[in-house]
Amino acid sequence: SYVLTQPPSVSVAPGQTASLTCGGNNIGGKNVHWYQQRPGQAPVLVIYYDRDRPSGIPERFSGSNSGNTATLTISRVEAGDEADYYCQVWDNSSDHPVFGGGSKLTVL
Amino acid sequence: EVELVASGGGLVKPGGSLRLSCAVSGFSFSSYNMDWVRQAPGKGLEWVSSINGGSTFRFYADSVKGRFIISRDNAKNSLYLQMNSLRAEDTAVYYCASHGSGSYSPFDYWGQGTLVTVSS
Repeated sequence: SYVLTQPPSVSVAPGQTASLTCGGNNIGGKNVHWYQQRPGQAPVLVIYYDRDRPSGIPERFSGSNSGNTATLTISRVEAGDEADYYCQVWDNSSDHPVFGGGSKLTVL
Repeated sequence: EVELVASGGGLVKPGGSLRLSCAVSGFSFSSYNMDWVRQAPGKGLEWVSSINGGSTFRFYADSVKGRFIISRDNAKNSLYLQMNSLRAEDTAVYYCASHGSGSYSPFDYWGQGTLVTVSS
């Protein structure tokens, strides 16, 4: 089955830019979705189809996808961005969705 | 306003059964594929099962195949998960979520989750 790899933790100072990566074999050929999960809450979709933002998600959130790495970029990071972030794709071979292991974003 | 409210979780002994429900409002339920996604304590997200709008297609993760059954009632805007032969490793918060009919669409709406604990 398809495997997505995310670094367990990413740290960034307020006001700086956070880059959260999601690795997978030729992930650039897939559609990647990103979810934010704050402690004790349900996940929230923040980026879909690699780079689109749902209504209500700040423009500070952006996405890219190429080669073997997809990236969620959060500009001008705020304390409220501290959360776990998960990437997700659909595994073509099984038609099942696959989640990455998640990255915990810490705002220093 | 879109709302998904999951219920039915609780404490159950290994080998026991439990039925989860998810009440949906605020969008055209019958047009959406629906899913269950779970999260074990301190762990990441794991997809469990999917069902399409007309209930003609149902998919399961290998970890639950043969034990869990997903169903829906479009007249009641409700999604269900019948969980049988429960194991300790099924302990998790279970989220109901929707994804559109488009190819490889995202999980756009999520419920708040219901906790299932399997323990003797």
